[in-house]
Amino acid sequence: DAGVIQSPRHEVTEMGQEVTLRCKPISGHDYLFWYRQTMMRGLELLIYFNNNVPIDDSGMPEDRFSAKMPNASFSTLKIQPSEPRDSAVYFCASSSGNNEQFFGPGTRLTVL
Amino acid sequence: KQEVTQIPAALSVPEGENLVLNCSFTDSAIYNLQWFRQDPGKGLTSLLLIQSSQREQTSGRLNASLDKSSGRSTLYIAASQPGDSATYLCAAPDPNTGFQKLVFGTGTRLLVSP
Repeated sequence: DAGVIQSPRHEVTEMGQEVTLRCKPISGHDYLFWYRQTMMRGLELLIYFNNNVPIDDSGMPEDRFSAKMPNASFSTLKIQPSEPRDSAVYFCASSSGNNEQFFGPGTRLTVL
Repeated sequence: KQEVTQIPAALSVPEGENLVLNCSFTDSAIYNLQWFRQDPGKGLTSLLLIQSSQREQTSGRLNASLDKSSGRSTLYIAASQPGDSATYLCAAPDPNTGFQKLVFGTGTRLLVSP
């Protein structure tokens, strides 16, 4: 298996622009997680899905952030409009329900 | 709310030493705990998942233990090598919000010198 796939790996954008991050979980995994990592706050869970349904979005910072999972093999995290404080590394992870999570390589987002 | 703490925050050792990384958690109503490794600029790599029924889990030179009663887990690295240099994170589920939700420690940054 190729593992969790994320794109793009790096994204540089200007404040106010829309940003879309993409994730393909490991085939057969029915849980998908979006995390954000910064030096100041460490690793934070933003939202997670089970069988394509959002279960807990309490970590989503504000209405500018939205996430979707239209099918079992694809998820997006969208930020609109983006702000400099959104600059971070965004990770996607998946698991099969035994609680062992496997992470993607991350997307490094820089908002100027 | 589950809280996870890792000590020490940083550790520097010469090659060949055996070392122990510590992780403590406040809510012991968990049924497993996971250890990860993160290299600079990279994602997290799962090292070990310990079930509470196992108490210990081994993979190569790595051995992780879990003591729910004391709220502690340790990661033992035998015969450390420069390639072991990385940040090690432990993560425990938050029983109050569903066992799928992991709470991460801030990590131990390990440097193994040749």
